[in-house]
Amino acid sequence: GQQVMQIPQYQHVQEGEDFTTYCNSSTTLSNIQWYKQRPGGHPVFLIQLVKSGEVKKQKRLTFQFGEAKKNSSLHITATQTTDVGTYFCAGGGDTGKLIFGQGTTLQVKP
Amino acid sequence: SAVISQKPSRDICQRGTSLTIQCQVDSQVTMMFWYRQQPGQSLTLIATANQGSEATYESGFVIDKFPISRPNLTFSTLTVSNMSPEDSSIYLCSVEVTGSGNYGYTFGSGTRLTVV
Repeated sequence: GQQVMQIPQYQHVQEGEDFTTYCNSSTTLSNIQWYKQRPGGHPVFLIQLVKSGEVKKQKRLTFQFGEAKKNSSLHITATQTTDVGTYFCAGGGDTGKLIFGQGTTLQVKP
Repeated sequence: SAVISQKPSRDICQRGTSLTIQCQVDSQVTMMFWYRQQPGQSLTLIATANQGSEATYESGFVIDKFPISRPNLTFSTLTVSNMSPEDSSIYLCSVEVTGSGNYGYTFGSGTRLTVV
């Protein structure tokens, strides 16, 4: 079945450093979504990418969807302590189901 | 975006018993999704609940263990039956938010289940 792989599993950075997490799907996706889950919280929707090669920005966050619609990345510029949490990518298909990646847990040292 | 009220938020249950988790959405939605998230792990889809029809279960999950009800377009329940310690996990419901914007999926706050 469809699998979504995400790396790295953990990332520790110094505040102010950049951070990137990568997502790869075994199949072509209709869309890819990104979620953030704070410790003890539930996943919160960040963004959805639909078009091949799409790039979207939210302040210090940059999201990319690959040309083949099988991979994606999230890049955070100049991390802050408020960025701490686990970032999940989730591949969407035509059925409405989401297949989540394993997540990347970001720790930021002040 | 939709608001989901999920309860209970947490419970400690004896093995062999059952727990029913409820999710109430503040708007009508076609599909509701039930996920399991084991500690430190990703989210695994258990089943999709459609109003008026039986839920669709993912590989590895069966109706006898996780019966689901969907009596109307704003409410669903998931029951974890005949629990064992391996069922200790966080269970979350989710709905897709549709409309003129792009709002993704909204999740309930989760039910943290511990089976002893």
